[in-house]
Amino acid sequence: DIQMTQSPSSLSASVGDRVTITCQASQDISNYLNWYQQKPGKAPKFLIYDASNLETGVPSRFSGSGSGTDFTFTISSLQPEDIATYYCQQYDNLPPYTFGQGTKLEIK
Amino acid sequence: QVQLVESGGGVVQPGRSLRLSCAASGFTFSSYGMHWVRQAPGKGLEWVAVIWYDGSNKYYADSVKGRFTISRDNSKNTLYLQMNSLRAEDTAVYYCVRNCGGDCGYAFDIWGQGTMVTVSS
Repeated sequence: DIQMTQSPSSLSASVGDRVTITCQASQDISNYLNWYQQKPGKAPKFLIYDASNLETGVPSRFSGSGSGTDFTFTISSLQPEDIATYYCQQYDNLPPYTFGQGTKLEIK
Repeated sequence: QVQLVESGGGVVQPGRSLRLSCAASGFTFSSYGMHWVRQAPGKGLEWVAVIWYDGSNKYYADSVKGRFTISRDNSKNTLYLQMNSLRAEDTAVYYCVRNCGGDCGYAFDIWGQGTMVTVSS
């Protein structure tokens, strides 16, 4: 099974900061990598697919990049409403469709 | 609007069974693969099971294989998860999730609100 390793597990940043989260796959998954945002007490929300494509309606301050085994999720200018836990997920070939362990983002 | 509504959660004793349902609306249910994803209290997301749009293929996480069964009734726009031989470690919020298909990277694009399952004596 493909393992996904996210880092850091938690992150504290100030409003306006550039924030970066990394996700590493245990084997090559091409660009089959999605990102989700989960606010406390809510269901996750789909943000980015195929490593770098923004879902419709997602603010442009969010972006993703990478391919193969190494991926990056970036918020260009952190806003208060971005406080959440972020998950990467691989979708390569057959299941299981593994999630990363999550990165909890807090405001400093 | 596009919506998934889970039901059937509750408190159940170890070793007993429970069936979750997920009612879909606002889209052509029979055209989409569907998943169950769970989240234990204070923990991350764990993929549980998937069923193809026509029910032809089903896959499970190793942690539930042989105990859980995913199914669907496309005439009723409903997804199910039959959970047998429940264990304490199955305690979680269970989400019903739509797979958006190849046009959006097979991402999990629509999530239900979740239903809580607690396995406890």
